[in-house]
Order: sequence, then C-alpha cells, then structure tokens
Amino acid sequence: GENVEQHPSTLSVQEGDSAVIKCTYSDSASNYFPWYKQELGKGPQLIIDIRSNVGEKKDQRIAVTLNKTAKHFSLHITETQPEDSAVYFCAASGQEYGNKLVFGAGTILRVKS
Amino acid sequence: GAVVSQHPSWVICKSGTSVKIECRSLDFQATTMFWYRQFPKQSLMLMATSNEGSKATYEQGVEKDKFLINHASLTLSTLTVTSAHPEDSSFYICSARDRGWGEQFFGPGTRLTVL
Repeated sequence: GENVEQHPSTLSVQEGDSAVIKCTYSDSASNYFPWYKQELGKGPQLIIDIRSNVGEKKDQRIAVTLNKTAKHFSLHITETQPEDSAVYFCAASGQEYGNKLVFGAGTILRVKS
Repeated sequence: GAVVSQHPSWVICKSGTSVKIECRSLDFQATTMFWYRQFPKQSLMLMATSNEGSKATYEQGVEKDKFLINHASLTLSTLTVTSAHPEDSSFYICSARDRGWGEQFFGPGTRLTVL
C-alpha cells in the first residue's frame, strides 16, 4: 500500500522567514496530494492541494510543488507569521485505494516572533 | 467553503457505556464520509470509510462491532463507540468528501475521555 514520509518532524523559523516541509510517497499511482494545517484541539484544515497533472500551485504565501518522477512533494510557506504555528500534515491518495488519504507523520512548525 | 460539523465536541463517559458522535456536512452532499482516530502528537489513523446507504468499510485492526458506523443520509454519519473502555479515549475526527472534486473536508473533532 501507499506509504508517506514527512520531514522534518519539527521546524522552528523566525517570523518573516520561509518554511519548507517535504514529503515522499511510495505508490506512483497516487494522484492527489493535499496539505492540512491542524491547530491544537481542532480538526485538520485543508490549506492547499495539488493533483498529479500539475507541477506547482500557489495561493498567496503558500505553494506546493510536486515531482512525480522522484515521488515527492513539498509545502512552501513564505513570510511566515506567528499564526502559521501549527502541525502540518501531507497526504496522498489515488483511485487504487478508493481515494483514501494516507497521511504523513506531521510537522510541528513554530514561528518565533 | 465546505463545512463539516461534529457533535459533541467533547464527551466524558464511564467505562462500559456507549457514546454516539455525529458528523454532518452542512453545505454540500457527501457520498463518502471517513472516520479517523488521533492519539496525542500522532498522525490521523483511518478507522473506516462510510458510504451513504451501504455498510461501512473498516480498516484492518478496527473492530466493526465496537465502532458502529451509520451513514443514513448524504449529510449525516454517526460513529457509536460501544462498551467504551479507557483505551478508547482519543480524538475522533470525521471528514466528508465533496462529490465533485474529491477533496476531504474535516470536522472539528470530538475528544472522548472514558473513565
């Protein structure tokens, strides 16, 4: 089955700096890659996603890149702000597994002001 | 955007009792809903997939007789934890998939504490 690895497990950045979180997946049939932000005691919130027919997608300060050949995708947050502090999860899914999401282990992002 | 609600947000119960958690998609119809479990500082673990009008599909290792799932309509799925024990204490999160695009939108979660 699909396996998703996420790095780093924790990331501390200074306010205004950029943050990058990377994920790799194992199944080349996966075709949908969302990123979720989870604040303490809350459910995950979809922040951006990308499908396998696209290499990059951007939404204001957030961008996601996908390298299908290498089977990895990354989340880029620019001009980080204290409110970006949260746990971020990547996930992958494909029709082969009923479009179920397989999550990475998560990254704790701390933005220091 | 798509909104998914859960009720209750937290519940405390005694060992041996049953607890029902509701998951509703408020502004879209969800043919598929998912139930996850999350332990502290861990990732989300899929428990089961729920399709409207049919039996839920459980992931390996999840007891279907303990975690009863009902998806009676396109906007409501329920998870009942039967004969709850302290080891069932966890954060339970549902998600609903938008029929059109396939994105999953998550509810706010339910914190279950079994004494």
